[in-house]
Amino acid sequence: EVQLVESGGDLVQPGGSLRISCAASGFTFSSYWMSWVRQAPGEGLEWVANIEQDGSQIHYLDSVRGRFTISRDNAKNSVYLQMDSLRAEDTAVYYCARDGWLGWNEIDYWGQGTLVTVSS
Amino acid sequence: DIQMTQSPSSLSASVGDRVTITCRASQSISSYLNWYQQKPGKAPDLLIYAASSLHSGVPSRFSGSGSGTDFTLTISSLQPEDFATYYCQQSYSSPRTFGQGTKVEIK
Repeated sequence: EVQLVESGGDLVQPGGSLRISCAASGFTFSSYWMSWVRQAPGEGLEWVANIEQDGSQIHYLDSVRGRFTISRDNAKNSVYLQMDSLRAEDTAVYYCARDGWLGWNEIDYWGQGTLVTVSS
Repeated sequence: DIQMTQSPSSLSASVGDRVTITCRASQSISSYLNWYQQKPGKAPDLLIYAASSLHSGVPSRFSGSGSGTDFTLTISSLQPEDFATYYCQQSYSSPRTFGQGTKVEIK
């Protein structure tokens, strides 16, 4: 069974940093692109970043580029999101997600999410 | 960036109704269009990928159509468990933008 379990969400002050993690199991992690998607309270879904199987290709949402860094450790079946210079508008539930194998870049599995709150 | 516009933003319908949600892309995305269902407090679930392909385990009352810039999600006979928010997403290019969502509520 595919499982994605996020951790590390917390309350952080504006301008602060936080790293959230996602532990994957139930599939060959090193064979899949992985993504982060966020959802601000009461709002819609917003794609944040993704990373290729070996980490050689990475894409970011414009508003987080230069502040957020996605990375992965295939030996630990984990993907990470390092978030620096956090802003109030970064407050959201952050979902770890697997890009599917069907060839259409769909997201076929999601974690349960971890809440990041940026507030003083 | 490709903008995705869904309509309507919300709708009220009864069990058994046929429901249609539309999604328009700001430029051609071929068939790189996915639909997700999200229930309150839960992560989204994939319903449709490649504009019209039903994801494994999704009931056949859900269907998708379209290509290029205009797409449709149809629920042929709305069931109680279908009351949720639905999102389209383009996966043609990064950033892989979502529509703003359509909330389907009980009439």
